[in-house]
Amino acid sequence: GAGVSQSPSNKVTEKGKDVELRCDPISGHTALYWYRQSLGQGLEFLIYFQGNSAPDKSGLPSDRFSAERTGGSVSTLTIQRTQQEDSAVYLCASSLPTGAKNIQYFGAGTRLSVL
Amino acid sequence: QKEVEQDPGPLSVPEGAIVSLNCTYSNSAFQYFMWYRQYSRKGPELLMYTYSSGNKEDGRFTAQVDKSSKYISLFIRDSQPSDSATYLCAMSPSGNTGKLIFGQGTTLQVKP
Repeated sequence: GAGVSQSPSNKVTEKGKDVELRCDPISGHTALYWYRQSLGQGLEFLIYFQGNSAPDKSGLPSDRFSAERTGGSVSTLTIQRTQQEDSAVYLCASSLPTGAKNIQYFGAGTRLSVL
Repeated sequence: QKEVEQDPGPLSVPEGAIVSLNCTYSNSAFQYFMWYRQYSRKGPELLMYTYSSGNKEDGRFTAQVDKSSKYISLFIRDSQPSDSATYLCAMSPSGNTGKLIFGQGTTLQVKP
């Protein structure tokens, strides 16, 4: 079946603008994760949704970052008043419900450039 | 100090060589260890998934975990140009849920 889908694949924005990044997880996957990958760096955890539980927001770097997941499926990561240091690849992953192996399947990412 | 340390390389080897990639970690709660491969402008894909200490082999790939030393390795035998990618180690205290902690990634180039 289809993998994790992210859109847009590339986004160029001006400093101070708001951006929205979208993630469509694999059908049937109840867990959804957002990570950020800066140039030459590993993945930095941002936020995690699991079913109807309260999300784990412990990785969000500032209150300019927020995410929601509607209907237990599609998720949107919003960055308000973007800064140049927000430039990175934003990766979304999904995994099967709790009880199965925590194997996370990743999308291709959204490459965000803040000018 | 980061929870997971990984030499970023780059590492360049001739085709057919044995490649050794390594990560060290500081959190003794980590029980589940993974290796992901990431091609340029693509998302990471899972290569190996292991639990606790020991070895796991899958084709040309072998993953080793030494929890007593907090050290994990990925070996690639008979390396191929198609193995050229960034290799990321990842780990978690939980086997079935929660965030993964990633290393920085090692960039590997296999030259024909």
